[in-house]
Amino acid sequence: DAKTTQPPSMDCAEGRAANLPCNHSTISGNEYVYWYRQIHSQGPQYIIHGLKNNETNEMASLIITEDRKSSTLILPHATLRDTAVYYCIVRVGGGNAGNMLTFGGGTRLMVKP
Amino acid sequence: GAVVSQHPSRVICKSGTSVKIECRSLDFQATTMFWYRQFPKQSLMLMATSNEGSKATYEQGVEKDKFLINHASLTLSTLTVTSAHPEDSSFYICSARDRADEQFFGPGTRLTVL
Repeated sequence: DAKTTQPPSMDCAEGRAANLPCNHSTISGNEYVYWYRQIHSQGPQYIIHGLKNNETNEMASLIITEDRKSSTLILPHATLRDTAVYYCIVRVGGGNAGNMLTFGGGTRLMVKP
Repeated sequence: GAVVSQHPSRVICKSGTSVKIECRSLDFQATTMFWYRQFPKQSLMLMATSNEGSKATYEQGVEKDKFLINHASLTLSTLTVTSAHPEDSSFYICSARDRADEQFFGPGTRLTVL
C-alpha cells in the first residue's frame, strides 16, 4: 500500500469547517483513499472513501485532486465531538483484495469552543 | 453500519496468566478479521490476520505462540495473550471485513498486566 503524509495536529473552531489534508503521491491506479477517525480509547470509525471522484456522506466530504496525489477531508461544521485522530489510508479496494488497513500517524484534530 | 463487538472491554490480570479477548461481527459474516495493538500515543499496529477455518497470518515481530488466534466461525475470532507480562499491556482492537471488503472496528480491549 502507498504511504500517506498528514500533519500531526490541527485546531478548528467549533462550528467552522475542518479541512484535513493528506498527501499520497505514490498512490497506484487501483488504490482507494480511506478516512477513519479514532476518538480517545475507542476503535477507529469509518468516515468515507473514494477512488477519484469527490465523495460526500452524512459525516464528511472527500475531495481528491485530479492527479490523485492528495486529498482533503472536510467536516463542514465541526463540533466538540469531532475531536479525534483522523487517519488517511490508501489501499486496494473491492472484491477479495485481501489488503489490510495500514495506519500511519494520523492528524490529531482538536475542536475548540 | 455493521457492528463489531469485543469482550471484555477492559481486563486487569497478574503477570504470567493468560487472557482471552473475543471479537464478534454482530450483523454480518466476516471471513477475515484483523487484530491490532495500540500503545499510548501511538498508532494502530497490525498484529495478525485471522481467516475463518485456517491459521492466522502474523506480522513480523509478533510471536504466534504468545498471541494465539482462533477464528472458528464466520462471526467470532479470539485472541489469547498467553503468559502475559507488563509489556503486553496495551489497547487491543479487532476489525472484521465484510463481503464488500469493507472493514469495521471493534471498540477495543484495554489490557493491563500487573
